[in-house]
Amino acid sequence: DVKVTQSSRYLVKRTGEKVFLECVQDMDHENMFWYRQDPGLGLRLIYFSYDVKMKEKGDIPEGYSVSREKKERFSLILESASTNQTSMYLCASSLASGGSYEQYFGPGTRLTVT
Amino acid sequence: DQQVKQNSPSLSVQEGRISILNCDYTNSMFDYFLWYKKYPAEGPTFLISISSIKDKNEDGRFTVFLNKSAKHLSLHIVPSQPGDSAVYFCAASTSNTGKLIFGQGTTLQVKP
Repeated sequence: DVKVTQSSRYLVKRTGEKVFLECVQDMDHENMFWYRQDPGLGLRLIYFSYDVKMKEKGDIPEGYSVSREKKERFSLILESASTNQTSMYLCASSLASGGSYEQYFGPGTRLTVT
Repeated sequence: DQQVKQNSPSLSVQEGRISILNCDYTNSMFDYFLWYKKYPAEGPTFLISISSIKDKNEDGRFTVFLNKSAKHLSLHIVPSQPGDSAVYFCAASTSNTGKLIFGQGTTLQVKP
């Protein structure tokens, strides 16, 4: 049973703070993803990673960076948090091959930037 | 450029009736489609999927239909139950990218 965990369920930060969101998966998946979910906009891809130390920009990477030093862990970094980054952040993982495109999601982190 | 669109933000149906959620896409290179269900304060969970070589896939109360010529897919839930009340996202992918493109979501309310 795949498990994706995220370090915090709720987080409140001040404008300008550096914020770290951590994600860990336990199924040896090659792919990991960070999304944000906003009302009326669905899930938008911020960054993804196909392998350790590999990263690629998604659709909305501005203001974010990522780190993948170990296969099971994918971190999202907000270098200087702004109020427009208040959102639900979702991490996901998937296999690299095998014909299944299914991504497994963590429970999400509700981030509020004040 | 919204490649995957769910044009109905919300849908309300009576318990026991059919729920039909719709999704349109623009990229003809998409070859795999998925539906996810999301409850508040939880991550999305996979519901059902369909490959572009098929036009229908069924799993219990859930059936997904794909019309490639119209670039349209739909999710049918029969019979609908109050526990089905959630946000439903459709998603699409092209081979070997591993990426999913999600629609905006449709909030389904099933009334007892």
